[in-house]
Amino acid sequence: AQTVTQSQPEMSVQEAETVTLSCTYDTSESNYYLFWYKQPPSRQMILVIRQEAYKQQNATENRFSVNFQKAAKSFSLKISDSQLGDTAMYFCAFMKLPGSGGGADGLTFGKGTHLIIQP
Amino acid sequence: DVKVTQSSRYLVKRTGEKVFLECVQDMDHENMFWYRQDPGLGLRLIYFSYDVKMKEKGDIPEGYSVSREKKERFSLILESASTNQTSMYLCASRPFRDRGWETQYFGPGTRLLVL
Repeated sequence: AQTVTQSQPEMSVQEAETVTLSCTYDTSESNYYLFWYKQPPSRQMILVIRQEAYKQQNATENRFSVNFQKAAKSFSLKISDSQLGDTAMYFCAFMKLPGSGGGADGLTFGKGTHLIIQP
Repeated sequence: DVKVTQSSRYLVKRTGEKVFLECVQDMDHENMFWYRQDPGLGLRLIYFSYDVKMKEKGDIPEGYSVSREKKERFSLILESASTNQTSMYLCASRPFRDRGWETQYFGPGTRLLVL
């Protein structure tokens, strides 16, 4: 079974600062996907960024980028030029390839980090 | 845009009641999922469905069942609601092995309170 650990329950930064959210995971799979999802207050969960484990290049989406260290099983999210709208719960999630066996094909989530952007 | 809807945003039920949570997606996705979200625990998978009439248990299926009679609809059933099932329930869907298959799309959630 996979586990995902987010060690920062809550973080607070000033607007325009850069913030890094940490995530580590444990798995015996060699090929898998990693995700960061954002859940704004009382709003829908949305995908921020995803990373395929077989790709060495770190994924980037505008102000959001990841630092993927496969050997260390680490997958941190960096938010540059943070904005008030970035205030949300952020969840790191793991997914093995569908049909690879060993049980359900859903996402395994960390417990989340509550990120607060201060004006 | 993918749209996943859930029948209720808020629901209050009494202990012992049978509860149905409905989820509908409009993108012809094969796979659908039910998660529950609790503070400090993140999201945990209850059940998922590969396709119509197919289902598989997730990490915490006890006390729940599911139904998938049509491709677009996935129902979560609490046969006899208990107070420890008070939670936020999130539905998700994804295509199967099409472009973007690895991404799940979430509904807005149903906050269930069992008294």
